[in-house]
Amino acid sequence: QQPVQSPQAVILREGEDAVINCSSSKALYSVHWYRQKHGEAPVFLMILLKGGEQKGHEKISASFNEKKQQSSLYLTASQLSYSGTYFCGTFRDNNNDMRFGAGTRLTVKP
Amino acid sequence: EPEVTQTPSHQVTQMGQEVILRCVPISNHLYFYWYRQILGQKVEFLVSFYNNEISEKSEIFDDQFSVERPDGSNFTLKIRSTKLEDSAMYFCASTRGQGWQPQHFGDGTRLSIL
Repeated sequence: QQPVQSPQAVILREGEDAVINCSSSKALYSVHWYRQKHGEAPVFLMILLKGGEQKGHEKISASFNEKKQQSSLYLTASQLSYSGTYFCGTFRDNNNDMRFGAGTRLTVKP
Repeated sequence: EPEVTQTPSHQVTQMGQEVILRCVPISNHLYFYWYRQILGQKVEFLVSFYNNEISEKSEIFDDQFSVERPDGSNFTLKIRSTKLEDSAMYFCASTRGQGWQPQHFGDGTRLSIL
C-alpha cells in the first residue's frame, strides 16, 4: 500500500539536476510531493491528479504516468535551499488517506 | 497565511502516563490528520477525522490512541498509557479536500517518553 521511492539518497553540486521517483503497485488517484528539512514539518510542493499533471514551482516540476503508476519529481539547476528529504504521498482514491514513501534525502553542495 | 498550530512543541512524559497533544487546524478545513515520525524515519499515517468521526486509521492507531474535536476548533490526540516506543514527532495536518488538495502540516510535537 505504501509507495516506493528511489533513490534513497542523492548528492548534487549546485546547478545540477535530479530526478526522484515514486511508484505504487496499486492504481492511484493522486500523488503529492512534500519536502522536509531537518527538524521541520513537511512542506507541500505539488499534487498530480489522475489524468493530469500539475506544476507547482518554476524549477521543480513533476509528472505522473498512470500506466506505470509512477510519479517523478524533477529538480533542475539545484540550489542549496533544495536540500532536504523529499516524500511522495499517494492516494488510491478520493476517499481514503495518504501513505508516504520512505523519502529521498537530497543534499546540495556548493 | 493561515496555519496549523500544535502545542506543546515538546512533551516529556514518564512511561505509563497519559498524554494529550493539541492541534488547531486551519479554520475552513474539513479533514484532519495525525501522523507520526520516529527520528530519522518516514512519516507514518495514524488517523484521519472527518465530520466528527474517524474516517480511517492505521494499524499503529490501536486502543491506546484516541482523537477528539471537543470544541469545533481543537483537534486532540490522546495516548492513554505511553510506551517508550511512542517517542516520536507527532504532526497534525488539515486539508479542505481529500486527495485533491494539499495537506497543511503543523510544526509538530516532539514526544519523549522516559
